[in-house]
Amino acid sequence: DTEVTQTPKHLVMGMTNKKSLKCEQHMGHRAMYWYKQKAKKPPELMFVYSYEKLSINESVPSRFSPECPNSSLLNLHLHALQPEDSALYLCASSQASRGSGNTIYFGEGSWLTVV
Amino acid sequence: AQKVTQAQTEISVVEKEDVTLDCVYETRDTTYYLFWYKQPPSGELVFLIRRNSFDEQNEISGRYSWNFQKSTSSFNFTITASQVVDSAVYFCALSEDNQGGKLIFGQGTELSVKP
Repeated sequence: DTEVTQTPKHLVMGMTNKKSLKCEQHMGHRAMYWYKQKAKKPPELMFVYSYEKLSINESVPSRFSPECPNSSLLNLHLHALQPEDSALYLCASSQASRGSGNTIYFGEGSWLTVV
Repeated sequence: AQKVTQAQTEISVVEKEDVTLDCVYETRDTTYYLFWYKQPPSGELVFLIRRNSFDEQNEISGRYSWNFQKSTSSFNFTITASQVVDSAVYFCALSEDNQGGKLIFGQGTELSVKP
């Protein structure tokens, strides 16, 4: 069983809605990630938090807003999404963002559908 | 620039056959990490192995084995005596030490093991 927990597993939202995806890990990891995966494609990095600070933003549109309240939690706030944003959103964590501690463990993902 | 190529899009085998999934990578970094992940239909990316660039020792874990060859920039994955439960999409990924934990994924190989 994964030690990275994501909620909700499935989310359907309208283009005017505001919703959030949540991620939690209890492995003491100090780096957390959001990846987006479209059908039949590999995951693509969106954001990296290292020691609760945003360290990488892969030019993600502002309708996606990440938040790291503490070292165990990572949220992704969603607002005014488009149907093309429908995808599997994967949260991940690692001991560190570089070096020997960067084995990245993924959660089960949140399946998002924008209607 | 970094790149991962998995030339096999789909592979279909019959149970108990051996199967090798190919992975070729490109990087200019001298310190990097290679990974294999398994993604069943449920969506979770399951970590299988990580290899450091300075450790070319091959590894065996049960029915799984990995062959890392820096001379050919390859990190191939073999499943011996395949089982139906091995059916999944397998991703090879690269992380460079100065990229803050960013994983570059190959396109994935969909393995179907038939009874």
